[in-house]
Amino acid sequence: QVTLRESGPALVKPTQTLTLTCTFSGFSLSTSGMCVSWVRQPPGKALEWLALIDWDDDKYYSTSLKTRLTISKDTSKNQVVLTMTNMDPVDTATYYCARIRSVTTMDFDYWGQGTLVTVSS
Amino acid sequence: QSVLTQPPSASGTPGQRVTISCSGSSSNIGSNTVNWYQQLPGTAPKLLIYSNNQRPSGVPDRFSGSKSGTSASLAISGLQSEDEADYYCAAWDDSLNGDVVFGGGTKLTVL
Repeated sequence: QVTLRESGPALVKPTQTLTLTCTFSGFSLSTSGMCVSWVRQPPGKALEWLALIDWDDDKYYSTSLKTRLTISKDTSKNQVVLTMTNMDPVDTATYYCARIRSVTTMDFDYWGQGTLVTVSS
Repeated sequence: QSVLTQPPSASGTPGQRVTISCSGSSSNIGSNTVNWYQQLPGTAPKLLIYSNNQRPSGVPDRFSGSKSGTSASLAISGLQSEDEADYYCAAWDDSLNGDVVFGGGTKLTVL
């Protein structure tokens, strides 16, 4: 079955770079149409899309955050990595990775459980 | 402020039918399909409706979606207490570099 799991630090200091890893199973990111995306949710607030990477290694970033984000994949390890530079307390959120099974529908059909990242000195 | 506009709250009694609206523009809902997610308290979001009106396997047919022009709606019939959750609409937005945009979420309360 399809599973995704986020991993990374629970606490980062302001100005530091955050690196999160999404490890998945049950599908291959080399399958045509398949994508993996990152979404975050500050406490008590709405979902916010961050980035996605597709089977062909095309990358898309949130317009408002693209200068701070980098997404990459290691197909052999079934992992997708997101880095976010210059972290600020407003970046405190639960970070989710999710699978997109089709670039046509762009629906996130499987999600990880999320990892809470707190930005504080 | 979210690109897609949803009412912040909705409510209904068990057995009732409720609808949640999602308003966008020509660059998102007007030209791309809409997906809906349900987020129960303390859990990750779950895909509820995709491609405007399709239900993934396992989603009860009490949940339905529709789209017209630059707006979309989620309807829940036969409301149950376990439907109390946050609901989000989402769509691809073709403006600028391309983004996935979410609504601000609607908290559904079952009275």
